[in-house]
Amino acid sequence: DTGVSQDPRHKITKRGQNVTFRCDPISEHNRLYWYRQTLGQGPEFLTYFQNEAQLEKSRLLSDRFSAERPKGSFSTLEIQRTEQGDSAMYLCASSFSQVNTGELFFGEGSRLTVL
Amino acid sequence: GDSVTQMEGPVTLSEEAFLTINCTYTATGYPSLFWYVQYPGEGLQLLLKATKADDKGSNKGFEATYRKETTSFHLEKGSVQVSDSAVYFCALHTNAGKSTFGDGTTLTVKP
Repeated sequence: DTGVSQDPRHKITKRGQNVTFRCDPISEHNRLYWYRQTLGQGPEFLTYFQNEAQLEKSRLLSDRFSAERPKGSFSTLEIQRTEQGDSAMYLCASSFSQVNTGELFFGEGSRLTVL
Repeated sequence: GDSVTQMEGPVTLSEEAFLTINCTYTATGYPSLFWYVQYPGEGLQLLLKATKADDKGSNKGFEATYRKETTSFHLEKGSVQVSDSAVYFCALHTNAGKSTFGDGTTLTVKP
């Protein structure tokens, strides 16, 4: 299967620890997005990349969050000094900008639980 | 900023009933509009889309028409099935490159 894959699928951590999530997009897709979703809410935009360039980052995003896409392929999302409010599903999506219809292809998400 | 408002759920229907889920949006410019669906235990996937005013998107018996004058993109299906039970998200995508989602509407279809 060549869909978007995310790892780990579930992470449980203690408050104050750092966590890192990885996303592997569909191979020919040059755009990669990170979203956060909490129960009963829709996906909330965090950041996105075109190739290796981070083009936009949500103003609501704490400085504890950082994302990278060093070679324009996979991406990592790191959360430092986790807080209970960070508990959520972290979604990765990819797309092909040349098609530019805006359709996103989502992974199954990485669920974070902060104790 | 951009925003999407969906009718609040949950929605419970009997099989073969008619479905409407309302969606309105606020955006600068001319966004593309989408409905995504999330089945239990699965990731979000595209259901249908419309990229310009008056376009109708359709898939699996679902339809939605891009109405610029009312800034709406309501989802409809004439006869729902138990297998349509899922969470439905309305979304818009602008030339700025990102998508904005509504809060989702949970649909339960009972036999």
